[in-house]
Amino acid sequence: IYMTQSPSSLSASVGDRVTITCRASQFISSSLNWYQQRPGKAPTLLITRSSSLQSGVPSRFSGSGSGTDFFLTISRLQPEDSAVYSCQQSYGTPWTFGQGTKVEI
Amino acid sequence: EVHLLESGGDLVQPGGFLRLSCSASGFTFSSHAMNWVRQAPGKGLEWVSGISSSDESTYYPDSVKGRFTISRANSKNMLYLQLNNLRAEDTAVYYCAREPYYDTTGVFDYWGLGTLVIVSS
Repeated sequence: IYMTQSPSSLSASVGDRVTITCRASQFISSSLNWYQQRPGKAPTLLITRSSSLQSGVPSRFSGSGSGTDFFLTISRLQPEDSAVYSCQQSYGTPWTFGQGTKVEI
Repeated sequence: EVHLLESGGDLVQPGGFLRLSCSASGFTFSSHAMNWVRQAPGKGLEWVSGISSSDESTYYPDSVKGRFTISRANSKNMLYLQLNNLRAEDTAVYYCAREPYYDTTGVFDYWGLGTLVIVSS
């Protein structure tokens, strides 16, 4: 299953609302996870099953979508949100990731 | 606090081999499936192996099947990845990643900082 993210990078200002799109090459139900990777840090799990926010993740992050099209939205961008965001399908092996979206503030 | 620490990355020649280790702490290691995920320079993340909590089931993508072997020692809280017949395209940072459940479901809730493998002559 191939995962395609868009855009590959974006630049936005503090307080902006940004949306990242992830498209699967086939139906994956709601088996879609989102990760954040800050420079020099371990990746962290933000959202599972398309829209379930992990404990401790700020509420400005939200996920939506099902089937083949998914979205990650950051409602009010903060300086600490500068990172690469990757989607990943957990519908079937091999588990596959999108190529990542770099968010710059 | 969950902590995963990878080690064993190195510069190795094509065709060579390497063994990566991941030391786990802060949780009941034997209750969680574990995985290795890699990231080549400038590329996205790629899952390369998974193992159930009991070591009964292992999983690989076709790109590494037959060359990589995942294993674990629950008594030592250790995860391993044996890399054989290495190729230039195996050059990457290799991450150890935990799953929330006993069996592998493809959700990676904690990650280490990674260890760098460079395959070059």
